[in-house]
Amino acid sequence: ILNVEQSPQSLHVQEGDSTNFTCSFPSSNFYALHWYRWETAKSPEALFVMTLNGDEKKKGRISATLNTKEGYSYLYIKGSQPEDSATYLCAFPQGGSEKLVFGKGTKLTVNP
Amino acid sequence: ETGVTQTPRHLVMGMTNKKSLKCEQHLGHNAMYWYKQSAKKPLELMFVYNFKEQTENNSVPSRFSPECPNSSHLFLHLHTLQPEDSALYLCASSQDVGLAGVRGETQYFGPGTRLLVL
Repeated sequence: ILNVEQSPQSLHVQEGDSTNFTCSFPSSNFYALHWYRWETAKSPEALFVMTLNGDEKKKGRISATLNTKEGYSYLYIKGSQPEDSATYLCAFPQGGSEKLVFGKGTKLTVNP
Repeated sequence: ETGVTQTPRHLVMGMTNKKSLKCEQHLGHNAMYWYKQSAKKPLELMFVYNFKEQTENNSVPSRFSPECPNSSHLFLHLHTLQPEDSALYLCASSQDVGLAGVRGETQYFGPGTRLLVL
């Protein structure tokens, strides 16, 4: 059974702080890694799809890196704002299929 | 409306009730999914439909019965549920099945139905 681990489980930062968290996944048979952002009472929203080792993707103040050889991806948020408060999920496709296996997420709270 | 919508957003039902969850996608996608999120657990895939055909049943008990009458609509029929089935049920869609990983294709989610079984 495929395991996707995210750490930390939760994180509290002050507005303006930069922060990062980790997603670990099996390094063998890599296909892609998905990052989602999920605000309370809303739909999970796709952030990035990472496919190549060494990939770095950016969306505004949020960026992500990928290391497929060691099986991890980092998500960085620069200058956190209260509106960044959400649960950040990563997901790994099982056997290169549509079956996404999700981590439990990192819940970020940004205090004003 | 755009995106993926789900109704109802909240549902309370007794163990002997029959109810249905509805999902509709307005994205022109061909694949639709049901996910379950229980407290303190990750999102867990339940069913996958591609072009109205079920392609995946992730060992889900028969008290959950999906239905996909067309590529835009997906239902989850609930019957004789247990209190431990209380969870958030999310629907998602993607352009196609089998490509979410290989081509890095994104799944688009609805806001979910919060179900409480008493």
